[in-house]
Order: sequence, then structure tokens, then C-alpha cells
Amino acid sequence: DTEVTQTPKHLVMGMTNKKSLKCEQHMGHRAMYWYKQKAKKPPELMFVYSYEKLSINESVPSRFSPECPNSSLLNLHLHALQPEDSALYLCASSQLPPGGGNTEAFFGQGTRLTVV
Amino acid sequence: SQQGEEDPQALSIQEGENATMNCSYKTSINNLQWYRQNSGRGLVHLILIRSNEREKHSGRLRVTLDTSKKSSSLLITASRAADTASYFCARMDSSYKLIFGSGTRLLVRP
Repeated sequence: DTEVTQTPKHLVMGMTNKKSLKCEQHMGHRAMYWYKQKAKKPPELMFVYSYEKLSINESVPSRFSPECPNSSLLNLHLHALQPEDSALYLCASSQLPPGGGNTEAFFGQGTRLTVV
Repeated sequence: SQQGEEDPQALSIQEGENATMNCSYKTSINNLQWYRQNSGRGLVHLILIRSNEREKHSGRLRVTLDTSKKSSSLLITASRAADTASYFCARMDSSYKLIFGSGTRLLVRP
């Protein structure tokens, strides 16, 4: 199983809503990532989890709150978002040492988020 | 900005021609990876080249890496209409950050 599964595929939320994006992988990968991608732009790194601990936060606003409940799951909790936060949110995973660390990342199909 | 630079930003070629995309970066890397993205959905990994490698092949793909110039190139030979997509390089550093370049939009005309 080389899949990263993201749910939901599409999400429309109001600026006062609270919602969560979910990501799951069963490849035993110990690094998991959240990216934000606007149209015709490259993915921008938001967070990196290594061994279920937040290792990198790329100065993301606190209205985005990541969570890694276990080694297979990654959530992104959303609260009080702005219309400019509308984007494709991508999750990825990759191996870490031992046995990895110089290997590719696997990406989910993304959640297309619209904030109204 | 997180991004490295890629050029060209857009490339339009005829089916059967070769396509070359270039990527430059500024910091040290563990490896350099290339991805393809169709229609703004998930990214598909194409090829990874480690910092101690200079060239790698996979099918119709050839990637080179010049760490002294901090640059990489992706060559797609004998292009097909199905190769139409956006292509991104991504550098991974020692903290396992994976940062994407600005991307090249490739159009292969039948």
C-alpha cells in the first residue's frame, strides 16, 4: 500500500466554522507533511512531523493547528479561516532513518478548501 | 520565500520532441527530487537524485545534478501528449524539509 489518503476531497466552510482535514498512510513513514497550494503556484510547506512530533512550523498562522495522533494519522484543524486561505491542502509522508531519510515523499490527492 | 527557481516557467513542444527543465537552489541538500502534477491534484514522484550523484535515468527521464552550481535539470525524451503537466523540483535538506521550486508548465502538442 503506497497510498496517502486525504479526506475530505472538497470542503466549503464559513469564516466562523471549525473543520478538520485528515490524512492517513500505512507505509510506516515517520515523517508527515502539510502543504498549501494556490492555483498555478508550487506547494508551500506548512508543517513537518517527525516521529509524531512537530519538527517544523513554517510560521503558519495559529488558525491552522496540526495534530499527529499516531504514526499513521495527521490532522489539520481549521478555525476562523479567511477567504485567502482557500487553496488545495496536500498531505505527504516519507521514510526517516533508519531505513530511510533519502527517499521520496508520497502525496495524497489533496483537499480543495473554499472559505466563504 | 521557500521557493527555488525553475525555468522555463512554461514550455510548449510538439509530440516527439525533448523537453528540458532547469532548477536552481540556494542551500545545501540531502537530495533533489522531481515531481509531476496533473490538473492541480496530487503530486507524483518521478525521480530522486542524491547529493553525491551526478546523473540518474528512469525510462524517458534523465536528471542531472551539479552541486557546485546548485542546479539540476530534468530531460524528458520523446515527449507524449500525456506528459502535459506541471513539473516541480523539490530539495530535501538535513532536517527533512522538502521545499518545492516554482515549477514548469509543460504542454505537449499532439
